[in-house]
Amino acid sequence: SQTIHQWPATLVQPVGSPLSLECTVEGTSNPNLYWYRQAAGRGLQLLFYSVGIGQISSEVPQNLSASRPQDRQFILSSKKLLLSDSGFYLCAWVRGLGGPDTQYFGPGTRLTVL
Amino acid sequence: LAKTTQPISMDSYEGQEVNITCSHNNIATNDYITWYQQFPSQGPRFIIQGYKTKVTNEVASLFIPADRKSSTLSLPRVSLSDTAVYYCLVGPLYNQGGKLIFGQGTELSVKP
Repeated sequence: SQTIHQWPATLVQPVGSPLSLECTVEGTSNPNLYWYRQAAGRGLQLLFYSVGIGQISSEVPQNLSASRPQDRQFILSSKKLLLSDSGFYLCAWVRGLGGPDTQYFGPGTRLTVL
Repeated sequence: LAKTTQPISMDSYEGQEVNITCSHNNIATNDYITWYQQFPSQGPRFIIQGYKTKVTNEVASLFIPADRKSSTLSLPRVSLSDTAVYYCLVGPLYNQGGKLIFGQGTELSVKP
């Protein structure tokens, strides 16, 4: 069966510090991978998605970046965090070519920037 | 991708049937309709998916009229544990372009 992992689960960082969130998927190959952010309340904002290694599409201009160094690994980074980067970060995967588009979400990372 | 519109919030009582409607006037011929449920501090989880008419599983039913410009998620006999945010998404089933966008969702509050 497929599983998706995210870490860390919670993170408190000062403004201006770097960020690295990791997401890994097990039990599938060639998944599409997604990073979402959810601010207080609800509404998921799509940040990045990737259809393959090294292929990153950015949805909103921001001080965040994403990378996909391996087929089942997706990393969200920042060189200098802003207060507005606080939120709940969710990674999701979808079967790649030939698969239905049901998204499976990870447990999320709660980021607080102080 | 077709834009969706849902009510911001709904209230219900235990044991009642709840119907949440989603409008998607610009749905394309190859678009499917998918509903997700999200509890606080958790990622959304898949509930049900359909293309037309009616789909039913162990959790919910999905009603889609012939023009497919709207859909209704029906939760039979809700309990307190059904309190969550429900999202409606519209997009191709095999979206090799990769992008799937969530709307604001409907916050369902079930009271005893």
